[in-house]
Amino acid sequence: DQQVKQNSPSLSVQEGRISILNCDYTNSMFDYFLWYKKYPAEGPTFLISISSIKDKNEDGRFTVFLNKSAKHLSLHIVPSQPGDSAVYFCAARGNSGGSNYKLTFGKGTLLTVNP
Amino acid sequence: NAGVTQTPKFRVLKTGQSMTLLCAQDMNHEYMYWYRQDPGMGLRLIHYSVGEGTTAKGEVPDGYNVSRLKKQNFLLGLESAAPSQTSVYFCASGGTGYGKLFFGSGTQLSVL
Repeated sequence: DQQVKQNSPSLSVQEGRISILNCDYTNSMFDYFLWYKKYPAEGPTFLISISSIKDKNEDGRFTVFLNKSAKHLSLHIVPSQPGDSAVYFCAARGNSGGSNYKLTFGKGTLLTVNP
Repeated sequence: NAGVTQTPKFRVLKTGQSMTLLCAQDMNHEYMYWYRQDPGMGLRLIHYSVGEGTTAKGEVPDGYNVSRLKKQNFLLGLESAAPSQTSVYFCASGGTGYGKLFFGSGTQLSVL
């Protein structure tokens, strides 16, 4: 069963507008959430994270929101730029036993920002 | 500042052949991981290590073996390659338990 779900395989937005990427999770033991960005032929790179004790974390144009009761998080990019076009992976970390060493990834969302 | 280096970058194998993928990190990280990425499947954890001399199974460990003899290196082995192992393999390392991982640039493996 898929514990981290990104239900939108792709998203297309206009330059300057807001991009909203969504992620849902099923495991209530997850305590830390991260977003990674991946360009073609490169490895994923860390973008932003949030602890389960917070509901918002901001870093420049990127903001992650966490709704624990809904088991939902979202990544907002404002304003979107063509260079943001990439695959975005949502990931989650467990908080017990061996699971706190591992990340579980979603399937990714391909964001395309059109000039 | 190399970070995480994977070799080789590309490889083509015939079914039944064996090979080893090498991952090296220069950040003195304790944790190292091997993931595979397949279309529509995201990143799936194969094996990981929480320190020199340790290894553990991830989500999809079958058909793979790993070794962490030195802290900076993490090797992924395929003893008898199968077409189902055609994938892009990523190595990652991390220095804390918070999940901020640093990834290599990947190895594209094709098994014919």
